[in-house]
Amino acid sequence: LAKTTQPISMDSYEGQEVNITCSHNNIATNDYITWYQQFPSQGPRFIIQGYKTKVTNEVASLFIPADRKSSTLSLPRVSLSDTAVYYCLVPAYSGAGSYQLTFGKGTKLSVIP
Amino acid sequence: DTAVSQTPKYLVTQMGNDKSIKCEQNLGHDTMYWYKQDSKKFLKIMFSYNNKELIINETVPNRFSPKSPDKAHLNLHINSLELGDSAVYFCASSLLNTGPNVLTFGAGSRLTVL
Repeated sequence: LAKTTQPISMDSYEGQEVNITCSHNNIATNDYITWYQQFPSQGPRFIIQGYKTKVTNEVASLFIPADRKSSTLSLPRVSLSDTAVYYCLVPAYSGAGSYQLTFGKGTKLSVIP
Repeated sequence: DTAVSQTPKYLVTQMGNDKSIKCEQNLGHDTMYWYKQDSKKFLKIMFSYNNKELIINETVPNRFSPKSPDKAHLNLHINSLELGDSAVYFCASSLLNTGPNVLTFGAGSRLTVL
């Protein structure tokens, strides 16, 4: 089963680029990698999803190396409002056409003025 | 328009009681989920329903029972509540044919068992 590992916490100053790396050594061939953001007292919110190489949207970029055993979420020029917990999710196939969608422990990003 | 809505947002109750949390989605998704987030912030999947059929059932106590009257609703009923059931419960939904892991979450229901 694909298990994800992320740093527990990170600090960054406003205006800096932040890179959060997630390792998923057992990722399966068909698995996508998805990142979510969670603010206090809210549900997780989808940020970005990718399969390989690089994906970019208006919020973030996702870098995935060729072996796909890790991925890096890149947040450009963070602001105080980016303070949140970021989760990397890789579905773990559990047989009979179903997937375990258990989140890892997440990375708590604190943006400092 | 709220995409995934849960009620109630807060629930305080005594040990031994039975309670329900309701969830509705208006996204036309075919799969709905219940997650539990404890005080350490781990997000653990409890159940998943696809077209009214249970497709994931993690090792949760049988005091927890999901009920889906239709594909837009997935309610969570909890019998004989225990202190350890205190947590935030999140409902989520997705459309399986776009990939199994693009979830839309509700705002959560905070359950406190006294």
